[in-house]
Amino acid sequence: DGGITQSPKYLFRKEGQNVTLSCEQNLNHDAMYWYRQDPGQGLRLIYYSQIVNDFQKGDIAEGYSVSREKKESFPLTVTSAQKNPTAFYLCASSTPGLVSYEQYFGPGTRLTVT
Amino acid sequence: DQQVKQNSPSLSVQEGRISILNCDYTNSMFDYFLWYKKYPAEGPTFLISISSIKDKNEDGRFTVFLNKSAKHLSLHIVPSQPGDSAVYFCAASGVYNQGGKLIFGQGTELSVKP
Repeated sequence: DGGITQSPKYLFRKEGQNVTLSCEQNLNHDAMYWYRQDPGQGLRLIYYSQIVNDFQKGDIAEGYSVSREKKESFPLTVTSAQKNPTAFYLCASSTPGLVSYEQYFGPGTRLTVT
Repeated sequence: DQQVKQNSPSLSVQEGRISILNCDYTNSMFDYFLWYKKYPAEGPTFLISISSIKDKNEDGRFTVFLNKSAKHLSLHIVPSQPGDSAVYFCAASGVYNQGGKLIFGQGTELSVKP
């Protein structure tokens, strides 16, 4: 049963701590994406990766870091430099180059930093 | 600069009636548009899409209309059902957009009342 998994569903951290959000896909997709959702602001792109060992900054990359060591995995680290880390984080994957441009999303991780 | 805009944060419709969700874009290079549906605390799910070579695409109760000259698209849901209550995001992309990136609007929360 193919899909995207994100863990954990809910995550709580103290201010000043780094935290890593997991994203795994078994869809054999080349590209993976991280978005952040805040109320009234839609989905904003943090980082994306088109192939293994390569990734690019999105619109709001400051305070975040990623790695893409395996095709299936694209973890996101929220560092202490991110000023407003509390948000709903969504991971997605796709196969760019196909006509549809459709991205498949995971269930999301709600991060709360206090 | 918001390239994709959904100017109505919310919409309330009676069950059985038509729901019309609107989306405007500014970038004439966009050539593919998608609608996603999102329930609270879940990832968005793909609903329907349209290529810029078409002006209409229909899938069951869902129809998307594209007016390129006005840079406007709309999603029609007929008849609306209570289960359609969710946040709807429009998104845009195109061959110019390396990595298959999608640009999302802010979302419209649809409430279908029995």
